[in-house]
Amino acid sequence: NAGVTQTPKFRVLKTGQSMTLLCAQDMNHEYMYWYRQDPGMGLRLIHYSVGEGTTAKGEVPDGYNVSRLKKQNFLLGLESAAPSQTSVYFCASNSLGSTDTQYFGPGTRLTVL
Amino acid sequence: GENVEQHPSTLSVQEGDSAVIKCTYSDSASNYFPWYKQELGKRPQLIIDIRSNVGEKKDQRIAVTLNKTAKHFSLHITETQPEDSAVYFCAKRGNTPLVFGKGTRLSVIA
Repeated sequence: NAGVTQTPKFRVLKTGQSMTLLCAQDMNHEYMYWYRQDPGMGLRLIHYSVGEGTTAKGEVPDGYNVSRLKKQNFLLGLESAAPSQTSVYFCASNSLGSTDTQYFGPGTRLTVL
Repeated sequence: GENVEQHPSTLSVQEGDSAVIKCTYSDSASNYFPWYKQELGKRPQLIIDIRSNVGEKKDQRIAVTLNKTAKHFSLHITETQPEDSAVYFCAKRGNTPLVFGKGTRLSVIA
């Protein structure tokens, strides 16, 4: 049982390049989330999904797209990376209950030059 | 009504002393209040949580209290140790996904 995993761990992009971050969970969780973490800003929600085939916007969705084609995977895409997207990205998941524990992945450190 | 205010942003205590971090919120729908600990370079990890039908919960040196009327909840760490040094985040959830406070950097001085 690996929990929540993220690929890649580190990435450096040039402005304008695109990339996809992959999150996978093996806990059969319905809900999955993408956060970004910047110094002094805490964890801000980018997009989330309440089930396979569904996505919704969070607090800071601009410049990102997501897809949830399979229940265990949640992809975060940057179509045209900008330096403001330099951050640490965390994926998380939890099961259906509103009081259920949310588990985080190990994070992806992205630098956009 | 979505924000969680967390104070203080930094906290230094002597080893063995207690540490208290407080969070406030404004909406009435929130019913779940977890606390996460994040060590440098690591992922946030749940250390304790409380649901709205409970006023206090303890787990060894860690306790959380919830005042639903005043809409605030607090993390209490007793007999602090150097390994308690980390960033702590409060969060709340009700009808929307978890909303996090901006974090408290706790330093325990030996």
